[in-house]
Amino acid sequence: DTGVSQDPRHKITKRGQNVTFRCDPISEHNRLYWYRQTLGQGPEFLTYFQNEAQLEKSRLLSDRFSAERPKGSFSTLEIQRTEQGDSAMYLCASSLLAAPTDTQYFGPGTRLTVL
Amino acid sequence: AQKVTQAQTEISVVEKEDVTLDCVYETRDTTYYLFWYKQPPSGELVFLIRRNSFDEQNEISGRYSWNFQKSTSSFNFTITASQVVDSAVYFCALSEAGEYGNKLVFGAGTILRVKS
Repeated sequence: DTGVSQDPRHKITKRGQNVTFRCDPISEHNRLYWYRQTLGQGPEFLTYFQNEAQLEKSRLLSDRFSAERPKGSFSTLEIQRTEQGDSAMYLCASSLLAAPTDTQYFGPGTRLTVL
Repeated sequence: AQKVTQAQTEISVVEKEDVTLDCVYETRDTTYYLFWYKQPPSGELVFLIRRNSFDEQNEISGRYSWNFQKSTSSFNFTITASQVVDSAVYFCALSEAGEYGNKLVFGAGTILRVKS
């Protein structure tokens, strides 16, 4: 059983450029989460999907950020007009809806550096 | 609001020592879940354990053990006979039983360095 995969693992971009990250969850996991982790901090929740529906977004997710999960499988996170403050590790996690709660399994992350 | 505090920023031990990582949480819910994750240098968060708020039994898994005490809102993690491979950042996290998924609130993490 393969784990969560993320692509690319590293991305260096110039300020103002758009970037897109991809996350492939564990097969048959119907929940998918995005988190952002800055240096020396724990991950912070960004957004969450159940199947293809985006059910919750954090206030951290400005209008420059958009996430999709079009067919309920892989997900993409796009950042438009990147800023230096967007430099961080972007983590994806997936889980299987199960009572009473789900356990999230994380991918290796995409490290974004904005110059 | 939920909050997780890991007061120990960094701990250094010598191999074979026991080490305890502290975690204190805040929540107004009566039903909630606590987690520990390990983040080795490779960066991937590895799930270690999940506990629910109704189960205060301590748990042991090999060299790992967890002590959950609702009275002090703590969920501490002990590694017995530490090994160099235990060197990593350890995160404690909290989620509340939600209708639409269970986002995790993480502490800032504790860096554990185990020296040979």
